[in-house]
Amino acid sequence: QSVLTQPPSVSAAPGQKVTISCSGSTSNIGDNYVSWYQQLPGTAPKLLIYENYKRPSGIPDRFSGSKSGTSATLGITGLQTGDEAEYYCGAWDRSLSADLFGGGTTLTVL
Amino acid sequence: QVQLQESGPGLVKPSETLSLTCTVSGASITSSYWGWIRQPPGKGLESIGYMYYTGTTNYNPSLKSRVTLLVDTSKKQFSLKLTSVTAADTAVYYCASYNNHASFFDNWGQGALVTVSS
Repeated sequence: QSVLTQPPSVSAAPGQKVTISCSGSTSNIGDNYVSWYQQLPGTAPKLLIYENYKRPSGIPDRFSGSKSGTSATLGITGLQTGDEAEYYCGAWDRSLSADLFGGGTTLTVL
Repeated sequence: QVQLQESGPGLVKPSETLSLTCTVSGASITSSYWGWIRQPPGKGLESIGYMYYTGTTNYNPSLKSRVTLLVDTSKKQFSLKLTSVTAADTAVYYCASYNNHASFFDNWGQGALVTVSS
């Protein structure tokens, strides 16, 4: 059971929008930056969002991040079949003094 | 562009030490923090720890008693040693550059599968 809680799966049709939630506590999300990673099947994770909402160069603006209190959300608009992947949130936990990841959310583009 | 490549044995016997090396190209090894993350087959990500070339380290408390992270600046490599391994340590091990200010892993290696089995 991960300290950062994500829904196991989400799905939506091509072209639609989807959101993935990440719920934590004051010792992690509430007090620190959130990052998001995309892991396509059989590949290494890739950084999608850092510092709650910032995108690394090369990441399209279809991907967005936000944070409110002890929860964070990843949004993906204009869904494409190539977006089918596992998505993970991450945050530092000051109580554990460790980086945490959510359990991961499988995105299916129907 | 930073590139990272893990290397090391793909099979380790129970109770022995897992050793992996990550070679850095496209960046100075003194310019960033560096970390390790692992992913058991079919499961999620777990951070192992991170380090700086000065020797500063941070280890996940769940693994702290068994983990050592080291750097060799002359070879542009950093390494992971995990002692007393069991089957539960079977995983894909990733090395990555780590942003210590905002706590995120920005550039990842392709990963190395390490199986613990006799």
